[in-house]
Amino acid sequence: GNSVTQMEGPVTLSEEAFLTINCTYTATEYPSLFWYVQYPGEGLQLLLKATKADDKGSNKGFEATYRKETTSFHLEKGSVQVSDSAVYFCALGSHYNQGGKLIFGQGTELSVKP
Amino acid sequence: GAVVSQHPSRVICKSGTSVKIECRSLDFQATTMFWYRQFPKQSLMLMATSNEGSKATYEQGVEKDKFLINHASLTLSTLTVTSAHPEDSSFYICSARDQEGGGSYNQPQHFGDGTRLSIL
Repeated sequence: GNSVTQMEGPVTLSEEAFLTINCTYTATEYPSLFWYVQYPGEGLQLLLKATKADDKGSNKGFEATYRKETTSFHLEKGSVQVSDSAVYFCALGSHYNQGGKLIFGQGTELSVKP
Repeated sequence: GAVVSQHPSRVICKSGTSVKIECRSLDFQATTMFWYRQFPKQSLMLMATSNEGSKATYEQGVEKDKFLINHASLTLSTLTVTSAHPEDSSFYICSARDQEGGGSYNQPQHFGDGTRLSIL
């Protein structure tokens, strides 16, 4: 079945450092890919998405490119801020997912120090 | 943007109490809503898929009689934790997918802010 694997956290960075959170997927077809962010005590917020190969999703300085050849959707940001501290989830949507559900990675906690 | 409202945000109650959590899509219609449970430092665990006008689809291992789901309209789904016990304490999150575009898997899910349930 379809699955998503994220790099393990926690990831600790200094402010203005470059961020990469790796996400790879396994799917039998061409899924849609999403990154969600969860701040402490809150639900998830959609950060960005890509629906086909080579699409680049971007939002708030974050970017991720849908790479079919490497089955990856790595999240990047050039200069992180303390306010970016949160848990980031990579997710996969596919009409092969029963009921249209999303498949989530395990989440990566990011901590940005001033 | 699409907003999902979840209420209440926090519940503290005694063991044996039944607790109802509401999930509303405020500015869009959602034929399908999803209910998740999240343990500390873990990913979301899908409990069930809520379908408007029909029975919910539960994930394996989730007790249907324990977690009652009702999806009576295109903007409201409710999760009732019946006779809650301390082991039911958790963070519950709902989500909904916008029906625009056929509600396809290309559309993102929009999440509520979650409900922190604490059973004493």
